[in-house]
Parts: sequence; C-alpha cells; structure tokens
Amino acid sequence: EDKVVQSPLSLVVHEGDTVTLNCSYEVTNFRSLLWYKQEKKAPTFLFMLTSSGIEKKSGRLSSILDKKELFSILNITATQTGDSAVYLCAVVSMEYGNKLVFGAGTILRVKS
Amino acid sequence: NAGVTQTPKFQVLKTGQSMTLQCAQDMNHEYMSWYRQDPGMGLRLIHYSVGAGITDQGEVPNGYNVSRSTTEDFPLRLLSAAPSQTSVYFCASSYGGTGEKLFFGSGTQLSVL
Repeated sequence: EDKVVQSPLSLVVHEGDTVTLNCSYEVTNFRSLLWYKQEKKAPTFLFMLTSSGIEKKSGRLSSILDKKELFSILNITATQTGDSAVYLCAVVSMEYGNKLVFGAGTILRVKS
Repeated sequence: NAGVTQTPKFQVLKTGQSMTLQCAQDMNHEYMSWYRQDPGMGLRLIHYSVGAGITDQGEVPNGYNVSRSTTEDFPLRLLSAAPSQTSVYFCASSYGGTGEKLFFGSGTQLSVL
C-alpha cells in the first residue's frame, strides 16, 4: 500500500530559527514529490521534485529529494510568524492515473 | 481571476440525505479531482477526471458519485450521507492529465449528524 510519512507531526520554534521537515515515502511507480503549504484553507503549491539531489529553492524555503533513500526534506531558514502553517508532502504515483498520496502533514508554529 | 471555486463553504446534513458539492474552475484545466481531509489522515483522493466525459475512482470512492460533462465543472454527489462522511472536502485541478501541481479550492466543511 502506498504510504507517505511526515515528521515531526508538529513543532514550535521562535522567529529566526531554521527548521527541517521530513517526508519519507513508499509508493508504486514513483513519478514526483510535491510540497504544499496549508494555512487556513486551501493548500498552496510550493515545490515539485522529480530528480534526486537537485535542490529546489524559493526565498527562505528549499527542498531536496533522495530517490535512493526514499525521502525528502523541506528547509525553512530565518523563520517568520507567517510561516506558521501545515506543510503537506505528497507523492505522485503512476497508479490510478497519477494520483497524489498525501502525508498527514507537519504543523509548524512560529512564535514571535 | 477566480481559480477553483467550491460551494457551499459549510453544510450540515442529516444521515440519509443527499447533496451535491459544486466545483468549477476557469483555468481550462484538464485534470480535476476531489479529496477529503480528516484529522491525522492527510488528504485522500475520492474521484478524479482527466477530461470531460472521463472519470475514475480514487482510494475512497464509496458513497460518492461524480460526473464531468464540461471542462469547467466537476460536482461531487453524496448519495446517502453518513456520519463517516463528516470531513473537509477539497476540489483541485491541474493543467494536463498528470494531476501534479494541483490548484485547490477553499474547501467545504461538511457535517453529517
């Protein structure tokens, strides 16, 4: 059965800290891995990774994929209160017409 | 610049009632899908469509029907609501048929009593 596991489930940090969120997966016919940020309502797209070892970067956020060890990390440097959200990892499996398998998410709270 | 629009935002049903959650997108996306989000379980795929006239089941399809008569609309029907269907429902769409880089609607909070 396809599975995506995120850790930690939640964490609380202070503004300015650096955080690392983890995502490990077991899926059939891996195609890509995606990270989403979910604040109050709809998840919004952050990154899509398809190749091992190539870092994707957007401002203070970066992510990398290890296809051999089947995991990805999302780093956030110099955290701000606006980074408080649920971060979702999803893996695209080529079963069921490229379905996304989501992890349960990591709840991040940044205190000022 | 509407993106993905879901209605209603909130709904309370009694067990056994039926209803339709509406979803419309104005981005000419081929791929549309419905997810439910439950605490501690992440988002789970209910049904998806890779184009008008084509639908298929995801991992939790029981108790739900969909149809795709146009590119823009993808309604989700609850046939006979059960308390286990209490959840937050998200409609999402993406360009092309791969289902990646989903754009999500703002969600429908559904409670079944």
